Amino acid sequence: EAQVTQNPRYLITVTGKKLTVTCSQNMNHEYMSWYRQDPGLGLRQIYYSMNVEVTDKGDVPEGYKVSRKEKRNFPLILESPSPNQTSLYFCASSLTGGYQPQHFGDGTRLSIL
Amino acid sequence: AQKITQTQPGMFVQEKEAVTLDCTYDTSDPSYGLFWYKQPSSGEMIFLIYQGSYDQQNATEGRYSLNFQKARKSANLVISASQLGDSAMYFCAMREVPTGGFKTIFGAGTRLFVKA
Repeated sequence: EAQVTQNPRYLITVTGKKLTVTCSQNMNHEYMSWYRQDPGLGLRQIYYSMNVEVTDKGDVPEGYKVSRKEKRNFPLILESPSPNQTSLYFCASSLTGGYQPQHFGDGTRLSIL
Repeated sequence: AQKITQTQPGMFVQEKEAVTLDCTYDTSDPSYGLFWYKQPSSGEMIFLIYQGSYDQQNATEGRYSLNFQKARKSANLVISASQLGDSAMYFCAMREVPTGGFKTIFGAGTRLFVKA
């Protein structure tokens, strides 16, 4: 089954404790992306990747890191999480960076105390 | 700069009636793509419909159609014959390639409530 898999689905942690949210897709997609969803703001793009070793900032990259060492994986790293990063996070992928629709993971709800 | 505006935070519609969800966008690029996604209460994001800036005809997918008015920069989603399962959050999104840098921007969303 074609899918984007995120882990964990839920996480409660404390300020400053490094965490990684994993994302994996099995569709051989070139384009992968991370979004955060906050009430009243819709989804905002954090980082995206056009292919292996190619990443670029979205609209809200501060406080986040990403890497794309393999085509299927695109982890999101919060090196020193802060309460303002409490949010619902989505990973998504599409065949290319063109006009194909994105396939989304089920989301990761992060609470940072 | 890219921008998507969805002016209706919430809407009600009677079951079996049609409903239009508004989306306006701002871009200076002649080449762009517009998308609508649905987010049910369970949280997943579901792709509904796509419209390219150079497409001559309005996109349709089953009960979903996109009323694309390029000069007015609007891309409204029309849902015909609403069903209870259409109750969800709906997001309009845009991607500009390549001047937009392959970013995707989303509107704030419209929450649709379908009444029985």
